[in-house]
Amino acid sequence: KNEVEQSPQNLTAQEGEFITINCSYSVGISALHWLQQHPGGGIVSLFMLSSGKKKHGRLIATINIQEKHSSLHITASHPRDSAVYICAVSPGNQFYFGTGTSLTVIP
Amino acid sequence: DTAVSQTPKYLVTQMGNDKSIKCEQNLGHDTMYWYKQDSKKFLKIMFSYNNKELIINETVPNRFSPKSPDKAHLNLHINSLELGDSAVYFCASSPIGTNTEAFFGQGTRLTVV
Repeated sequence: KNEVEQSPQNLTAQEGEFITINCSYSVGISALHWLQQHPGGGIVSLFMLSSGKKKHGRLIATINIQEKHSSLHITASHPRDSAVYICAVSPGNQFYFGTGTSLTVIP
Repeated sequence: DTAVSQTPKYLVTQMGNDKSIKCEQNLGHDTMYWYKQDSKKFLKIMFSYNNKELIINETVPNRFSPKSPDKAHLNLHINSLELGDSAVYFCASSPIGTNTEAFFGQGTRLTVV
């Protein structure tokens, strides 16, 4: 069983919709990361969380340490948000990755 | 300036060959990493390295070895390449400490034929 589980695996949304991607983990962590991988392959770090909530533009990430759960929200989704979103946790100097959520936003 | 750069971006080679992928970061970070992304897009850590400690994922074959000539570089050497080594390999770096962001290179797509 993977240390990090994401849902859904695939998500298709209409432009403008509110999107939520969930991440659950089973190990003790010092931080949780949300990454974005575009079709071209490059990986960008979106957020690093150890508690609470962070917001960057239309993206919001929350984490509940007690429940070992995090969510990534995208408000007013746009086709350029189409990418794979990956949750990763770091119990120290390593990362464990979720399998990713492939998001497609249709105009 | 690219923060974490990998070369080459694409590498096609025959089974049995030995190859290297280079990684350089200009962020002054203390820790560097190598990750493998398989055909199912699943990322797995291979190595993490700072100037004090090399942590190896025990599932990584010993044909893979990281070499760090200095703090800004962590190169990946692969001996006796096998078909199953075909994947995208990502280098990343982060400042020392546990609550830090990682910055990724653009990836190297390795194809073994």
